[in-house]
Amino acid sequence: KAGVTQTPRYLIKTRGQQVTLSCSPISGHRSVSWYQQTPGQGLQFLFEYFSETQRNKGNFPGRFSGRQFSNSRSEMNVSTLELGDSALYLCASSSVPGLAGPSTGEQFFGPGTRLTVL
Amino acid sequence: GQQVMQIPQYQHVQEGEDFTTYCNSSTTLSNIQWYKQRPGGHPVFLIQLVKSGEVKKQKRLTFQFGEAKKNSSLHITATQTTDVGTYFCAGLQAGTALIFGKGTTLSVSS
Repeated sequence: KAGVTQTPRYLIKTRGQQVTLSCSPISGHRSVSWYQQTPGQGLQFLFEYFSETQRNKGNFPGRFSGRQFSNSRSEMNVSTLELGDSALYLCASSSVPGLAGPSTGEQFFGPGTRLTVL
Repeated sequence: GQQVMQIPQYQHVQEGEDFTTYCNSSTTLSNIQWYKQRPGGHPVFLIQLVKSGEVKKQKRLTFQFGEAKKNSSLHITATQTTDVGTYFCAGLQAGTALIFGKGTTLSVSS
């Protein structure tokens, strides 16, 4: 099986711009989660999607948004970029045994998108 | 909100020494997972613990889940240079998302 893929791998933007990151989960995985990783804060949860619905959301401002498509692929968008948004953005997929409830399975991470805001 | 604290933040050991990282949650967890991230890489799943007091072993790695399901530890016996990386615990509280600790970065000198 192919792993989780993320595009682009690297991105440089300037303050005030917006950015869209893409994640393709492992085939058959319906849950996709996004994390922001920075040296000082570790892995911070952004949101989780399952069957095109946002199931959980972390403590990030409304500038951070996401969506999931019917094929389970997911995108996240950051508007009005700030310098502090520079980070590695990781996407993770997991298989969910049931149709409801939290994802408790192993998270398979993609390689991440390294975003630099100048 | 739910918090998962992990200590120490950094640990340097000589090859062959043991290493332990500890994870504490402010709330009772449904389960806890452990991940390893090599430098320049992405987190990779190591194990999941579900039962109170559970202990699992993977070769030189021993994972424990506390009786109250609020804390966990990862112990590595006789570290090797291949153990270098950052070890994260991630706790799940029912109905919420997986919350990661900030990780313990292990360096090993030979």
